[in-house]
Amino acid sequence: NAGVTQTPKFQVLKTGQSMTLQCAQDMNHNSMYWYRQDPGMGLRLIYYSASEGTTDKGEVPNGYNVSRLNKREFSLRLESAAPSQTSVYFCATSLAYRETQYFGPGTRLLVL
Amino acid sequence: GENVEQHPSTLSVQEGDSAVIKCTYSDSASNYFPWYKQELGKRPQLIIDIRSNVGEKKDQRIAVTLNKTAKHFSLHITETQPEDSAVYFCAASKNDYKLSFGAGTTVTVRA
Repeated sequence: NAGVTQTPKFQVLKTGQSMTLQCAQDMNHNSMYWYRQDPGMGLRLIYYSASEGTTDKGEVPNGYNVSRLNKREFSLRLESAAPSQTSVYFCATSLAYRETQYFGPGTRLLVL
Repeated sequence: GENVEQHPSTLSVQEGDSAVIKCTYSDSASNYFPWYKQELGKRPQLIIDIRSNVGEKKDQRIAVTLNKTAKHFSLHITETQPEDSAVYFCAASKNDYKLSFGAGTTVTVRA
């Protein structure tokens, strides 16, 4: 079992470009999350999907959109990238709320 | 929203000594408190968690204590080893899907 996978591993964008980060899980978990990690700021929740068909905003949703494509896949889209979105992005999954979250390997994004 | 503060930001300990990391939270409704460990270049992984109906939980060399009245919880690592060197994050959550993380503590175990 692969667990939680993310693509790409690393991406460089120019300001204003768009891209989609992909996340997939084979753990049969109901809930999926997108976080960003910046130095000295811990992990901050961007969006989450409690179950297939639902998505909700987290702490820092501005500039991002998400799609829960099916139970396995949850994508994060940057429509017009900004340098402030330079970060490491982690996808995570859990069986339900207040349950262990399992993280993917991360995507390192650099916006120039 | 929930605000989680974590101290210290860096911690250096001699191998074999204990390490303690403290977190405070703002929302008295929070009732789930996990701790994650992140090694350099790796993903965060859960090491222990505690729910508000218990005051202490242990798992081998690690333990977590919770003081609901004071709204703080702590991670204790005993007999530290080089493999304990990592960044540790505390987090808090209510009865929902949102986990609020502390800023992290970089622990270095000196041989």
